[in-house]
Amino acid sequence: QSALTQPASVSGSPGQSITISCTGASTDIGTYDLVSWYQQHPGKVPKLMIYEDRKRPSGVSNRFSGSKSGNTASLTISGLQAEDEADYYCCSYAGDNTFVFGTGTKVTVL
Amino acid sequence: QVQLVQSGAEVKKPGSSVKVSCKASGGTFSTHSISWVRQAPGQGLEWMGGIIPIFGTPTNGQKFQGRLTITTDDSTSTAYMELSSLTSEDTAVYYCARDQGSFGSATGFDHWGQGTLVIVSS
Repeated sequence: QSALTQPASVSGSPGQSITISCTGASTDIGTYDLVSWYQQHPGKVPKLMIYEDRKRPSGVSNRFSGSKSGNTASLTISGLQAEDEADYYCCSYAGDNTFVFGTGTKVTVL
Repeated sequence: QVQLVQSGAEVKKPGSSVKVSCKASGGTFSTHSISWVRQAPGQGLEWMGGIIPIFGTPTNGQKFQGRLTITTDDSTSTAYMELSSLTSEDTAVYYCARDQGSFGSATGFDHWGQGTLVIVSS
């Protein structure tokens, strides 16, 4: 199972919106509505930000939103803030109780 | 409040095995899948395998077939990950993570252990 493809880095100024893409295959993202997104600050444990493609866990800011089209999922951060600077990973269910993570994207707030 | 507490850091020789534990407290242990995810230094997250305790049958990622063993002890709400035939490329932080849904619903890993650093060095 190959890792899902994400851009290595995305940047934006405070207040702007940015979008991180996550490209998989018809065997994972394209088949299951089970993409999740994680935020990881340096030295910290990953935090669930989005699940089931577009749902937000309780306590996660509504500035974070998820979407999907075909084999590509996306995470949009609107009203970018300094605290959003972190690494972001997508993850998709891939059938038979297996999962695959994305390559990760470093978000920089300029 | 669900909490996952992992065992401490390990230093291992190449060719040896390591066993990491993940003790759960709060919530229901048996019906939520536990996955093991690792992160090599400066690298991304990698799903290794998982298990739904109530079913007991683990699923391993293809890359780890033959050298990864995932088990659970329901009496202590503890999951274990054992990786054998270690090489320097297995040096990483190993996390356990719980699916927020039940019975393998794959609805996202909402609780994570603190991570266990495993260093493989001669």
